[in-house]
Amino acid sequence: DGGITQSPKYLFRKEGQNVTLSCEQNLNHDAMYWYRQDPGQGLRLIYYSQIVNDFQKGDIAEGYSVSREKKESFPLTVTSAQKNPTAFYLCASSLGGSLAKNIQYFGAGTRLSVL
Amino acid sequence: AQKITQTQPGMFVQEKEAVTLDCTYDTSDPSYGLFWYKQPSSGEMIFLIYQGSYDQQNATEGRYSLNFQKARKSANLVISASQLGDSAMYFCAMSPIYSSASKIIFGSGTRLSIRP
Repeated sequence: DGGITQSPKYLFRKEGQNVTLSCEQNLNHDAMYWYRQDPGQGLRLIYYSQIVNDFQKGDIAEGYSVSREKKESFPLTVTSAQKNPTAFYLCASSLGGSLAKNIQYFGAGTRLSVL
Repeated sequence: AQKITQTQPGMFVQEKEAVTLDCTYDTSDPSYGLFWYKQPSSGEMIFLIYQGSYDQQNATEGRYSLNFQKARKSANLVISASQLGDSAMYFCAMSPIYSSASKIIFGSGTRLSIRP
């Protein structure tokens, strides 16, 4: 089945540690996104990528890094510089392009907690 | 600047009744899309319905319809014949279209609870 797979479902980070969240899609979408959601809040954009080997900062990029080496994959690294990383992280993808409706489809998310 | 406003933090509705979730928006883009997503307790965001600013008719998808009033800048979601499984957070969102930018702006959400 086509879709977006995020792993792991739960992740624990020790202080000073970098951790990487995986996001893979087989929808043949060009654009991919990472969002952060804090309890009781909406989604905030961390990074997005419209094509391979290109990505842009979103509204809260500090303390995070991404790569887009393959169309199917858009991993997010939460670095030690992110002092408050505990949150729910959602990955999404869309067809992209200037004529697309930009409907984004989401993975099941990763819950990150600090030990 | 773009902005989405959802003024109802929480709503309780009796099963089988219809419910309207409010959403107002502000944008300077000439063409834009409006979206509604459902987020059950599991956390996954589920796409429900889309309305383009250029569409003449209101969008419908099964029990979901979007009451789009462009002059009032509102895009309310109507759920007919509510079911217990409709209990979830609902987010309104907006994105420019016919543009190289593809960012979506989300509202703060409305928590809908369906009473049996």
